[in-house]
Amino acid sequence: SQQGEEDPQALSIQEGENATMNCSYKTSINNLQWYRQNSGRGLVHLILIRSNEREKHSGRLRVTLDTSKKSSSLLITASRAADTASYFCATDEKRNTDKLIFGTGTRLQVFP
Amino acid sequence: EAQVTQNPRYLITVTGKKLTVTCSQNMNHEYMSWYRQDPGLGLRQIYYSMNVEVTDKGDVPEGYKVSRKEKRNFPLILESPSPNQTSLYFCASSFYSTGGTYEQYFGPGTRLTVT
Repeated sequence: SQQGEEDPQALSIQEGENATMNCSYKTSINNLQWYRQNSGRGLVHLILIRSNEREKHSGRLRVTLDTSKKSSSLLITASRAADTASYFCATDEKRNTDKLIFGTGTRLQVFP
Repeated sequence: EAQVTQNPRYLITVTGKKLTVTCSQNMNHEYMSWYRQDPGLGLRQIYYSMNVEVTDKGDVPEGYKVSRKEKRNFPLILESPSPNQTSLYFCASSFYSTGGTYEQYFGPGTRLTVT
């Protein structure tokens, strides 16, 4: 079952611009996480936001969570070419915290 | 260094020939999981384990088996591989509680081709 759906599927921007990616999910959750994947490599955890949090920051990353709309956004400010990667959201279900469900990802390309 | 290791990293095999992909973590994590990644489908969970001798099916368990005899190891077994199991496989581990998930640490991936 697909819990998280990212939007857009792909995004191309210039260095220095901000990149915003969105994630929508279907059921009540405990946590929502964002991961980054460089081409063909393992995913790297970026940030975790709990269902009782609305916003979280980590360096150039800002994550928001709107549980009423069942959606989250990841903002990367002042993007760099090295930010080029795919970004995935992942959620657990409140009624079944054992499973982590990933979305299909947003592919971000940052041009120098 | 804290890490999740997978072996082999690349494997080309033929239909029906049993294979095992190993996964090991050195972080004393309770939770381990296998995912497959296919274009346009994101990551889909195959099996997961909440602790030793405790395993459960994910979203796409058909054609796969797992075991968790030791905390650090979580091998993925394909008894009779078929071409539709050609994919990129990831093992991941994390701490576990019933209160919600923790950040997952991913292995480098195993690219499997079944001809």
